Order: sequence, then C-alpha cells, then structure tokens
Amino acid sequence: GAVVSQHPSWVICKSGTSVKIECRSLDFQATTMFWYRQFPKQSLMLMATSNEGSKATYEQGVEKDKFLINHASLTLSTLTVTSAHPEDSSFYICSAGLAASSYEQYFGPGTRLTVT
Amino acid sequence: AQSVAQPEDQVNVAEGNPLTVKCTYSVSGNPYLFWYVQYPNRGLQFLLKYITGDNLVKGSYGFEAEFNKSQTSFHLKKPSALVSDSALYFCAVRPISNFGNEKLTFGTGTRLTIIP
Repeated sequence: GAVVSQHPSWVICKSGTSVKIECRSLDFQATTMFWYRQFPKQSLMLMATSNEGSKATYEQGVEKDKFLINHASLTLSTLTVTSAHPEDSSFYICSAGLAASSYEQYFGPGTRLTVT
Repeated sequence: AQSVAQPEDQVNVAEGNPLTVKCTYSVSGNPYLFWYVQYPNRGLQFLLKYITGDNLVKGSYGFEAEFNKSQTSFHLKKPSALVSDSALYFCAVRPISNFGNEKLTFGTGTRLTIIP
C-alpha cells in the first residue's frame, strides 16, 4: 500500500524558535497533502490542504503566517511552525491523496512537537 | 457542511465477545465513509472504507462495517474481540467527488478497550 513518512517523529524546541516538519509520500505521487493537528484525547483537526505547486488552503482560525506550508513536489510537503510557543505543542499528522485514487488518504505516523 | 458523530467516548468489551463502535454521519449527497485506528503516539491506520456497492464492507484485522443509508450510520463491528484491538477508533466522511482535495471530516473518536 501507499506509504507516507514524517520527519522528525518527535521534536523539542525552545519557545520562539521555528520547527520544520516534513511529510513524504514514499511510493506514490501525491497531488494533495493535508496537515492535521491532534490535541491529547481529541480528534484530528484539519489545519490546511496543500496542492503541489500552489498555495495552501488554510482552515478557518489557522494562522497561515504561523504555520507555513510548502508543497514543492509531488512527494514532499513541509509544515514550518514559526516562532513556536508552548500552546503550539501538539501531535501533527499529515496525509496524502493519490492522484489516481482520489478518495483515499494515507496518513503519516505523526510528529510530536513539544515547545518549552 | 458534513459532520460525523461517534456517540461513545469509551467502549469496553470482554475478549472474545462481539464489538460494535457506532458512527453516524451527515453529508450533502452520497458519502465516502472510512474507519481508521490509532495506537498511542502513532498516526492513523486505515481499516476500511465504503465507496459504493455492497453495504457490508470488510476490512483489515477482521473488522467490518455496515453502511445504512436510511439511518445514516456506518457502525464498525468485529465478531470476536482481541486484546490487541484496544485502541482509538475514528470514523470519517467526505462527499463523493473526483477531486483529491476533498476534506475528510473526523468524528471525535471512540476508545475501545478489550478486557482479557
């Protein structure tokens, strides 16, 4: 099946620094990638949808200048949390949609971000 | 707007007994429906999906789900529970379309605990 990886799997950073999370589709081309955020014991909240070569579409309430998304190729999307604060600590999960099989999303293993 | 309801935060089942995790949905038109499982500190793993066809869908690890259009439900079931089935389960819905960037909407999740 389609495999999505994320790097790093966990990261600890100091308040005020920026952190980049990578999402890669390993064996398929993903025209669309999605970024989710999950708080402890809660569901996944969609943050943004990114399409290769175009600007990401952010959900209401998500600051696009704080959560920078770049989808430079059909196999890589990055999420950069700029000037991170403790309230940004969360589990970030990406998913990717197949170009041909448009209704299924494949999820990465997630990245645990802790801001101290 | 589409939505998913998982009315039970927690379901406890004795090992070997049948299990059911409930899900109801609301979407304009016909839905694509999904079940995902999440283990601690991991991303989501795909279990099964309903796209069209037979209302009873069989998936991974012996799970199945029945699409009921009149009741707008998509309950997850397994005839005989295993301790290893203990995890967090998410139901998700998206509208039918040919576009890969259609958003998935997740339920709040149900924590399934199988008691030995």
